[in-house]
Amino acid sequence: EDQVTQSPEALRLQEGESSSLNCSYTVSGLRGLFWYRQDPGKGPEFLFTLYSAGEEKEKERLKATLTKKESFLHITAPKPEDSATYLCAASPGAGSYQLTFGKGTKLSVIP
Amino acid sequence: NAGVTQTPKFRVLKTGQSMTLLCAQDMNHEYMYWYRQDPGMGLRLIHYSVGEGTTAKGEVPDGYNVSRLKKQNFLLGLESAAPSQTSVYFCASKLERGGSYNEQFFGPGTRLTVL
Repeated sequence: EDQVTQSPEALRLQEGESSSLNCSYTVSGLRGLFWYRQDPGKGPEFLFTLYSAGEEKEKERLKATLTKKESFLHITAPKPEDSATYLCAASPGAGSYQLTFGKGTKLSVIP
Repeated sequence: NAGVTQTPKFRVLKTGQSMTLLCAQDMNHEYMYWYRQDPGMGLRLIHYSVGEGTTAKGEVPDGYNVSRLKKQNFLLGLESAAPSQTSVYFCASKLERGGSYNEQFFGPGTRLTVL
């Protein structure tokens, strides 16, 4: 069974305190690993797609990396506006049109 | 482009009532999805469609029906609402191109309460 596990469930950081969020996945034949940001009361907003181990992508203070078993979302010098829930999702092998989502990490950045 | 829109934004139903949630996208996407999001459960797929006139079951399809009569619209129906269907419902769409797996774009959600 395909599974995506995110840790920690919640993370509180001081403004400027860098950290990483973890996404462990067990899917057959990964086609893509996705990161989304979700603000309270809103729909998930796409951040990154990673397709193969070793791939990295960056956007402002965020950098996503991928290994064969995990993905990390690194947050460098976070600001209060980075506070949100970050969702990880994996797409299994060919023939599947679905994503398997993790339960998310709720990030709070304190000024 | 409005992207993915959902109506209504909020709804309160009594047990046994029926309703339809509407999702519309103006990006000419082939694939559309309905999810529900509950505290501690994450996003779970209810039904999805890979093209106009097609539908398929996801992880939690019981108690829901869907229709995709037009490419831009995907309807989610509750025939006889139950309190267990209290949730936030999200619609998403995706463009499939070149064999790569592309991202899904989400709507703003519908918050449904069943009393």
